[in-house]
Amino acid sequence: DTAVSQTPKYLVTQMGNDKSIKCEQNLGHDTMYWYKQDSKKFLKIMFSYNNKELIINETVPNRFSPKSPDKAHLNLHINSLELGDSAVYFCASSLGWETLGTEAFFGQGTRLTVV
Amino acid sequence: QQQVKQSPQSLIVQKGGISIINCAYENTAFDYFPWYQQFPGKGPALLIAIRPDVSEKKEGRFTISFNKSAKQFSLHIMDSQPGDSATYFCAASGSGTYKYIFGTGTRLKVLA
Repeated sequence: DTAVSQTPKYLVTQMGNDKSIKCEQNLGHDTMYWYKQDSKKFLKIMFSYNNKELIINETVPNRFSPKSPDKAHLNLHINSLELGDSAVYFCASSLGWETLGTEAFFGQGTRLTVV
Repeated sequence: QQQVKQSPQSLIVQKGGISIINCAYENTAFDYFPWYQQFPGKGPALLIAIRPDVSEKKEGRFTISFNKSAKQFSLHIMDSQPGDSATYFCAASGSGTYKYIFGTGTRLKVLA
């Protein structure tokens, strides 16, 4: 069983379109994240959710809207896609932050290409 | 204060050699320092991690050295193998941060 699974793995779309990426974790974790990895491999936090509540929004444009229907799911919806949104998006999860020093588990990533 | 600085950007090592990657942080509230390994087309995966109450942690060929006073930590890969060729990220987190802050990554290539 995959611990953190994302769909789709690849996404090619035109500028201006709206798209969603889904993420599910079966680890029973309380906290989930979205990270963006750019062409230089830099991993940057976008959002952090704890028990379905948004904890961190790291100055991400409001075209990006995360939604957590329950603790096991964190989806990312992107409106009006731009060329600069092209990147690999990773979902991750970890135990709650009251537990110190816990591992973050990453999904396989979604490679988004905006043309 | 939230940055984690990582060097070198890329590293080429002969098989059997030692690979060393260094990281430095500023925020003294960080209390967990993991290293992640990422292969092409895959997500990052935890390699080894350390808390600041110890100065060194070893797991097989991988060792983290931690210098709390200098706010630096490093990854040593002993007897490097071609299968170790990947991108390595240091990271830091703390109970008040609700996130993992990653270094810029080191692309390691081990020559056969």
